[in-house]
Amino acid sequence: AQSVAQPEDQVNVAEGNPLTVKCTYSVSGNPYLFWYVQYPNRGLQFLLKYITGDNLVKGSYGFEAEFNKSQTSFHLKKPSALVSDSALYFCAVRDIYPVIFGKGTRLHILP
Amino acid sequence: DAGVIQSPRHEVTEMGQEVTLRCKPISGHDYLFWYRQTMMRGLELLIYFNNNVPIDDSGMPEDRFSAKMPNASFSTLKIQPSEPRDSAVYFCASSRTGVETQYFGPGTRLLVL
Repeated sequence: AQSVAQPEDQVNVAEGNPLTVKCTYSVSGNPYLFWYVQYPNRGLQFLLKYITGDNLVKGSYGFEAEFNKSQTSFHLKKPSALVSDSALYFCAVRDIYPVIFGKGTRLHILP
Repeated sequence: DAGVIQSPRHEVTEMGQEVTLRCKPISGHDYLFWYRQTMMRGLELLIYFNNNVPIDDSGMPEDRFSAKMPNASFSTLKIQPSEPRDSAVYFCASSRTGVETQYFGPGTRLLVL
């Protein structure tokens, strides 16, 4: 069965520093992997996805994620954090339908 | 396109009342999903449709919950009777295909007193 884990409930990063939000997954086949962001009182918004090809995926707002098949990870990264990046981030995986969402990681960027 | 539209945005009701949540997916999207989000349980998939047909309703918590999709541009999620533990934010999302990005609506914040 497919599953996704976000091991950190919350991540705190100083503005200007690089950030990483972790995600690991378990699937029986080849995964489709997604990152979404949720701002307060809003629905989830798509950031980026990996289906096939280059392991480094670039997405919206300067975010990127690296697909690592051997470690079954898909960590979200950004070289320099902004206060406006503070939000709830969800990793999602699809092997067989439907897409499974992680429990979310709250990212706090400290000014 | 206006994106996924949900109504109402906020709903306050009393225990035992019927609640109906509405969703209009993005035109041309063949998949529609209903999710529930709470602090305790996170984001839960309740049910999803493909071409207006319910495919998997295993996430629907109990018989008090029902969902319909009478046509490609409209879906409802009904709770009857409602209970305080149903208080949550309910999201509708749609996607073109099974592997494509899901687009979420703004959600309906439900409070059952």
